[in-house]
Formats: sequence, C-alpha cells, structure tokens
Amino acid sequence: GAGVSQSPSNKVTEKGKDVELRCDPISGHTALYWYRQSLGQGLEFLIYFQGNSAPDKSGLPSDRFSAERTGGSVSTLTIQRTQQEDSAVYLCASSGGGGRPNEQFFGPGTRLTVL
Amino acid sequence: GNSVTQMEGPVTLSEEAFLTINCTYTATGYPSLFWYVQYPGEGLQLLLKATKADDKGSNKGFEATYRKETTSFHLEKGSVQVSDSAVYFCALLTQGGSEKLVFGKGTKLTVNP
Repeated sequence: GAGVSQSPSNKVTEKGKDVELRCDPISGHTALYWYRQSLGQGLEFLIYFQGNSAPDKSGLPSDRFSAERTGGSVSTLTIQRTQQEDSAVYLCASSGGGGRPNEQFFGPGTRLTVL
Repeated sequence: GNSVTQMEGPVTLSEEAFLTINCTYTATGYPSLFWYVQYPGEGLQLLLKATKADDKGSNKGFEATYRKETTSFHLEKGSVQVSDSAVYFCALLTQGGSEKLVFGKGTKLTVNP
C-alpha cells in the first residue's frame, strides 16, 4: 500500500479483556514506532523497532503492554487485561533507512475504548 | 530530559489573520524539530521541519525557524485560511539511539470566515 495502515480503526472492549492492534508499515521502511494519543497525556512514544536491533520499549506504560514485529514488517501491539485508562488512539508510524532525520509517516490510528 | 512546550489553545482567528504558535524545547544535543498537523478526521501529517540551528522550514505558507539561542521553533503564517483549521503539534526528534519523536500537547486552531 501507499501508506501506513492500521487495523482495526475502532475497537471497543470490556475492562479486563486483551486486545491486539495491528500496523502495516510502508513497504521497505526499516523503522516502526507506536505512539498513543490521549486527552490527558497528548502524544506519547510507546515503542520503537529498527531493523533487527532490540526494540526500545522505554515508553511502554506497564507490563500489560507488549509489541512485536514479525519479519521486519507487520507489527502487533498487545494490551493485556485492559483498563479504562488505556482508552486512547494508538498511532503507528514508519520511516525509511538512510539519512538523518528520517520522516515518520503516520497511520490513521486505532481508537480503543475500554468500557 | 527531552521535552516540548507549546502554547495552549484553543486559538481562534478570522480568515487572513496572522498566526503564531509558540514552541520551545529542552533537549540534549542538537535535535531536529518538526511541526505536525492533524486535520479533522485525518491522521498526523508532517507540515515542516528543520534539522539544524537557523534552518527555516516552510510549507503551505507556514514557516518556522530553528532558534538555538532561545530553544524555540515558533510556527507562523501571514494569512490563515479556513482550511488551516486543525491541531498543530510541535515535536523534536531525539538523537543518540532510538529516534523517537517527543511531542508538545498540541494547539487547536480554528479559523472563521
């Protein structure tokens, strides 16, 4: 595809359930990022993948959050035992290799609502 | 640590008015600076960027100059249009290790005809 895609676009879940959010980056982009956009906290970095390097997980808010990137392409963000404070828009971005800085291209986001 | 502070909104202007949205940053090293825009119902888009001191980024009539001495990257436009109504985010790109964006809290701009 031409841009970063994310699915689902909207997700409503009950407190305590697990959710998986998917990101398809731009083909050939080596770097992939997850951010969270919420009313109280603004835009926050969650996790960063670059090629085969160990991911930077420093932004994950708790051990209920995890992410993986398979085959250097698609990424899945998993939230276990969701809480109401997890409600937010989860944004994925990707960027290409070479040069600094690389422009990050954002997907449309997944709006997560935890009831 | 790294942080970005931008003026709180909302900002409401009439069409053709002059726009300034202030942004200051705190960072180690020499980060690259960005303005992103989020139009209603759309995703986050890069508006402009500057990679070193005194660089001026510009796009769609918007400008911002990287001022190292004042650690600022204020966004300006001489004559806003209704179509500029959006939320604007100032951001810096961290250096040394993972390249993550640190965002300001966003400023909502509404332009009335």
